[in-house]
This record gives sequence, C-alpha cells and structure tokens, in this order.
Amino acid sequence: QVQLQESGPGLVKPSETLSLTCTVSGGSISSYYWSWIRQPPGKGLEWIGYIYYSGSTNYNPSLKSRVTISVDTSKNQFSLKLSSVTAADTAVYYCARVARGCSGGSCYPYNWFDPWGQGTLVTVSS
Amino acid sequence: DIQMTQSPSSLSASVGDRVTITCRASQSISSYLNWYQQKPGKAPKLLIYAASSLQSGVPSRFSGSGSGTDFTLTISSLQPEDFATYYCQQSYSTPVTFGQGTRLEIK
Repeated sequence: QVQLQESGPGLVKPSETLSLTCTVSGGSISSYYWSWIRQPPGKGLEWIGYIYYSGSTNYNPSLKSRVTISVDTSKNQFSLKLSSVTAADTAVYYCARVARGCSGGSCYPYNWFDPWGQGTLVTVSS
Repeated sequence: DIQMTQSPSSLSASVGDRVTITCRASQSISSYLNWYQQKPGKAPKLLIYAASSLQSGVPSRFSGSGSGTDFTLTISSLQPEDFATYYCQQSYSTPVTFGQGTRLEIK
C-alpha cells in the first residue's frame, strides 16, 4: 500500500526557509493530490495546502504569502517550502494523500486525507 | 474560514462504554465531514469520511452521523486501543479546517 515519509532539517533558524520533502512509495504520485498539514506541539491540526501531480496548487490563505509546494514526479516526491519562519512555525509537519474523485477524465480533490506520513518535528530556534 | 467546534474537549470513559463526540460547523457543510483518530506521537488516522462512511479497515464499532452543521462520532463499545484524541475536519471548502480535538481518556 502507499506509504509516505517526510524528510528534512529538524532545526531552522528564525527568518530562514523551512524545506521538507515527502517521498511516496508503494504507488505513483501521478493522478493524485498531495497535502501538507502541521501540528504545533500539544495543539491541533492546520492544513497548509495541496498540490496536484500536474503542479496546480491550493494554499491556506493564512500561509499563502510564505508557502510553496512543488512536485517532482520523476522522484515520486513533493516538497514544502515555508519562508520567513518564526517560533510560531514550530510544529510536527505531516504529508498526506488527498482523497479524490474522477469523472470524465478529470479528477478533483475530496479533501480528506489518507494515508499520512509519520510526521517530522521542525523546531524554529536560533 | 469555516470554524469547527468539538465537544467535549475531553472525556473519561471505561472499556465497554458507548461514547459520543459532537462536532459543530459554523455554517452548513452538507455531509463534508471527516473524523480522525490520533494516538500520542503518531499521525492522525482516517476513521470516517463524508459524515458516515467507514474507512476500510476501521472497526464497525465506529460510526458517524449528521449533516448540515451538527455531526457525531459514536464508538459503540470502547476498547482499550480507542483511547486517543479525535478530530473532526470539514472538507466542504478550502481552507479545510479541523476541530480542536476531543481527548478520550480511561476512567
């Protein structure tokens, strides 16, 4: 079955850019939507955005000015960049597959998430 | 953004109990409501999608109901492995949003 694994630095300095990669195994990244979700320690879940394998994106407006999600189909990976980070960006970052429906040759996101990666803690600190 | 409010925020129950968790949306979301279970140090796991559809592999003691603004997650007979935090999530519109979570603890 499809498995997802996040990777990237666990410590980022304030004002710098957080960069994470999610590697998809056990299936192709093509024809699906893929998402990033984060969870500050001891708090709830916040959706960051999603990307379609073709490259189209949808971001949370609260983060849109700082977020870039990209996809590399040749590596079966998608990535997150979050710029100008502060301590408030300290969180466990999860990647997840977005459920989809397809009709007439087009697919669209249902916007629930399964499966998820195990998550990676990113701490913003000098 | 659509606000999701869960109640209660925490709940103590015993093995074998029937438990209900409620989720309310700030506007009508039809049946675009999903439930997740999260255990400490683990990623959330999808339990229920589209308000009442059981995700493959999830035990049948879990069920969901509701539409519009009010939804419930019911666990018919609590098992030891069910003690966790539960989140609702609306998929009616982006940005998708989650409830604040309900922590289910052993009494």
